[in-house]
Amino acid sequence: NAGVMQNPRHLVRRRGQEARLRCSPMKGHSHVYWYRQLPEEGLKFMVYLQKENIIDESGMPKERFSAEFPKEGPSILRIQQVVRGDSAAYFCASSLTSDSSVIGNTIYFGEGSWLTVV
Amino acid sequence: GESVGLHLPTLSVQEGDNSIINCAYSNSASDYFIWYKQESGKGPQFIIDIRSNMDKRQGQRVTVLLNKTVKHLSLQIAATQPGDSAVYFCAENTESNSGYALNFGKGTSLLVTP
Repeated sequence: NAGVMQNPRHLVRRRGQEARLRCSPMKGHSHVYWYRQLPEEGLKFMVYLQKENIIDESGMPKERFSAEFPKEGPSILRIQQVVRGDSAAYFCASSLTSDSSVIGNTIYFGEGSWLTVV
Repeated sequence: GESVGLHLPTLSVQEGDNSIINCAYSNSASDYFIWYKQESGKGPQFIIDIRSNMDKRQGQRVTVLLNKTVKHLSLQIAATQPGDSAVYFCAENTESNSGYALNFGKGTSLLVTP
């Protein structure tokens, strides 16, 4: 399966702990996106990264949240000092290029990481 | 009283009937649209997409219609099957060369009854 791989699938953290979510894009994809989904809502864009660069972080909360996509290895979404309101499903997606006008180019999602803060 | 949560619009159809799921968007600069299917506990699954230079696109059992005048998008599913039961989201993208910072709708829950 060469799809977008996310782990862990489920993560439980106590308030104040750190959560680290990992994402490996589809083979050959160098554009990675993170989205968050609250219960019974649509996905909300958080951040767009290419290798070693953050391109657009307009949807990221200003504090406690950070993302990286290093030259080697998966993309990481890091949430420090988690609070109950961080409980959500976090989805990673990837694309081959950044240009949605290219026929056949689109964005594919992973199965998500479900974070529960207790 | 105060609302404590959102309830998704629900569409209930009988197996074998056609389903039509609608979506309104607000950004006239949006140029790329996608429909996703999401089953409980899973990620969004790509169904079909359409670009703003088209008004109709067909796939296997699915058709997407785009009306840019009224900023409306619809997904038609032919001969709906129990396996089609899921939440369906439309998503829009703007600035076609700046990545996929998609804006998702709230979703419609499709329930297929035998």
